[in-house]
Amino acid sequence: KAGVTQTPRYLIKTRGQQVTLSCSPISGHRSVSWYQQTPGQGLQFLFEYFSETQRNKGNFPGRFSGRQFSNSRSEMNVSTLELGDSALYLCASSSAKTGNHGYTFGSGTRLTVV
Amino acid sequence: SQQGEEDPQALSIQEGENATMNCSYKTSINNLQWYRQNSGRGLVHLILIRSNEREKHSGRLRVTLDTSKKSSSLLITASQAADTASYFCATDIDGGSTLGRLYFGRGTQLTVWP
Repeated sequence: KAGVTQTPRYLIKTRGQQVTLSCSPISGHRSVSWYQQTPGQGLQFLFEYFSETQRNKGNFPGRFSGRQFSNSRSEMNVSTLELGDSALYLCASSSAKTGNHGYTFGSGTRLTVV
Repeated sequence: SQQGEEDPQALSIQEGENATMNCSYKTSINNLQWYRQNSGRGLVHLILIRSNEREKHSGRLRVTLDTSKKSSSLLITASQAADTASYFCATDIDGGSTLGRLYFGRGTQLTVWP
C-alpha cells in the first residue's frame, strides 16, 4: 500500500512569506502528526490531529498552524516565515487512536527560508 | 527539553560487527520505539517495546528495556553497510495529555564500513 506522501519535497521561500505543506497519510490512518527537524533542536513535535481534531500541540508560536480534512489528509501552514523556520518538516501517520503503535513517516518537506 | 538521549552520539564499526546504542529517558512511559533515518529523509519505524516488556527481537535487531533505570538499548547484529543511518529512540509519556506525540532523542549516527 502507498506510504505517507508529503508535498512538496523541497521549498524555498523568502522571509515574511507564508507556506503550506501537505501530508497524505496511509489509507485508513486517522492520526497525523507533524514534526520539525533541525540540526540544532533535533526532532520537535508540532501538533497531532485525529479525525479532524487537534489533540495535541507542541511549543511553537501561533505562526505554525495545521488542519486535517475528512479524508485524513493534513496541511500545516507557517505564516510570516523566519530564517529559523528552515528545517525538514516530517509528518507521520498511525492507525491507532492511542500511542501503542509505531508511526509511519513521510520523506519530509525540506523548507529553506532565505 | 529532550525526553530521551541516545549514547553514543556517533558509532563507527566494520561490517559484520555488532552495534549497540543506548537510550535513556526521564519519565514513566507506556512504550519506547526505535526509528532509523537515512541521510535527512523520513524516519523508518524499527521496533516498539511496551513498558511491561523487557526484550524484543526483530530480525537482526534486539531491543531491551529497563524501566527501573529508564533506559533501553538497541543491538544490531552482523552490521551491514546498508545499516549506516541515524538511529533515534522515541517515547510517549505515561499520564498527561501526550496522545499522538513522541519525544525523540538526538540520535546516534551509525557508520558501517565495508
